[in-house]
Amino acid sequence: EDKVVQSPLSLVVHEGDTVTLNCSYEVTNFRSLLWYKQEKKAPTFLFMLTSSGIEKKSGRLSSILDKKELSSILNITATQTGDSAIYLCAVEDAPGGSEKLVFGKGTKLTVNP
Amino acid sequence: DVKVTQSSRYLVKRTGEKVFLECVQDMDHENMFWYRQDPGLGLRLIYFSYDVKMKEKGDIPEGYSVSREKKERFSLILESASTNQTSMYLCASSSQGREYYEQYFGPGTRLTVT
Repeated sequence: EDKVVQSPLSLVVHEGDTVTLNCSYEVTNFRSLLWYKQEKKAPTFLFMLTSSGIEKKSGRLSSILDKKELSSILNITATQTGDSAIYLCAVEDAPGGSEKLVFGKGTKLTVNP
Repeated sequence: DVKVTQSSRYLVKRTGEKVFLECVQDMDHENMFWYRQDPGLGLRLIYFSYDVKMKEKGDIPEGYSVSREKKERFSLILESASTNQTSMYLCASSSQGREYYEQYFGPGTRLTVT
C-alpha cells in the first residue's frame, strides 16, 4: 500500500530557530515529491523534487530529495511567526501510467515570537 | 490570478440528505480534484477528472459521486450524507502537462452532518 509519512507531526519553535521537517515514502512508481504549505486556507505549492541530491531553494525555505533513502527534508531557516502552518508532503505515484498524489498527514509548525 | 471557488464555506446537513458541493475554476484547467481533509489524516483524494464528462476514483470514493458537465465546474455529490462524512472538503484544479502538479485549491467547504 502506498504511503507517505511525515515527522514530526507537530513542532513548536521560537522565532529565529531553524527547523527541519521530514517526509518518507513508499509508493509503487515514484515520479516526484511535492511540498505544500497550508495556513488557514487552502494549501499552496512550495516545491517539486524529482532528482536526488539537488536542493531547491526559495528564500528561507529549501528542500532536498534522497531517492536512496526514499525521503525528503524541508528546511526553514530564521523562522518567523508567519511560517506557522501545516506543511504537507505529497508523492506523485504513477502505477500503470495513471498519476496520482499521495499525501502525508502533515507537520504542524508553530513559531512563537 | 487563478481562482478556484467553492459554493459554500460552511454547510450543515442532516443524515440521509443528498448534498451537492460545487467547485468552479476560471483558468480553463483540464484537471479538477476533490479532497477531504481530516485531523490526523491529511488530505485524501476522493475523485478527480481529467476532462469534461470524465472521472476517476481516488483513494476514498465510497459514498461519493461526481459530475463534470462543463470544463470549469466539478461537483461532488453525497447521495445520502452520513456523520462520518463530516469533514473539510477541498477542490483543486491544475493544467495538463508537467504543470499538473501545481494544483490550485479552493477555500474549502466545512461540512457538518448531524
